[in-house]
Amino acid sequence: TQLLEQSPQFLSIQEGENLTVYCNSSSVFSSLQWYRQEPGEGPVLLVTVVTGGEVKKLKRLTFQFGDARKDSSLHITAAQPGDTGLYLCAGEDTNAGKSTFGDGTTLTVKP
Amino acid sequence: DAGVIQSPRHEVTEMGQEVTLRCKPISGHDYLFWYRQTMMRGLELLIYFNNNVPIDDSGMPEDRFSAKMPNASFSTLKIQPSEPRDSAVYFCASSRDSYEQYFGPGTRLTVT
Repeated sequence: TQLLEQSPQFLSIQEGENLTVYCNSSSVFSSLQWYRQEPGEGPVLLVTVVTGGEVKKLKRLTFQFGDARKDSSLHITAAQPGDTGLYLCAGEDTNAGKSTFGDGTTLTVKP
Repeated sequence: DAGVIQSPRHEVTEMGQEVTLRCKPISGHDYLFWYRQTMMRGLELLIYFNNNVPIDDSGMPEDRFSAKMPNASFSTLKIQPSEPRDSAVYFCASSRDSYEQYFGPGTRLTVT
């Protein structure tokens, strides 16, 4: 089973600050997804990255896939309280035909 | 589209009782996944289906758990008999391609 480690596990910052969270593995993934989960709801898909070195931007969120397709990062600029939630990464394991989820980073943005 | 629909949203039951969770996937999605989420263990894949056929049930904890998908628009996850350690949030997700998954709102199960 391919494992994904996310760091940090918890992050608490003030509104307006920038932050980066990481998703690392020793395995290569065909693609990687990032999800955000708010309390009491299911995870919501944010983005898919496929190509090594790929960078995708979603408003204030920037996602990067590592050159070797083993790791990814999510950078948030000028964080807002609405960014609060659990951020999960998931790697597509083509051999197993399913995705492996990391344990997530819990982000709290204080107003 | 209404998204993935799960019912009930909350379930409280006594140990030993049978529990049935229900899921309606997004129309046109060929993959359906059942997950369990707890603080201790995070998000765990229990089982997934492709075109109504169970593909991987290696995550099902034990024989007390069973899942069915009788048609493309309906799936159930059954726990019989339920135990307090089964208390968790259970999510259903569907997907066109097995990796970009769309999750339902979850069922919060409490077994007393």
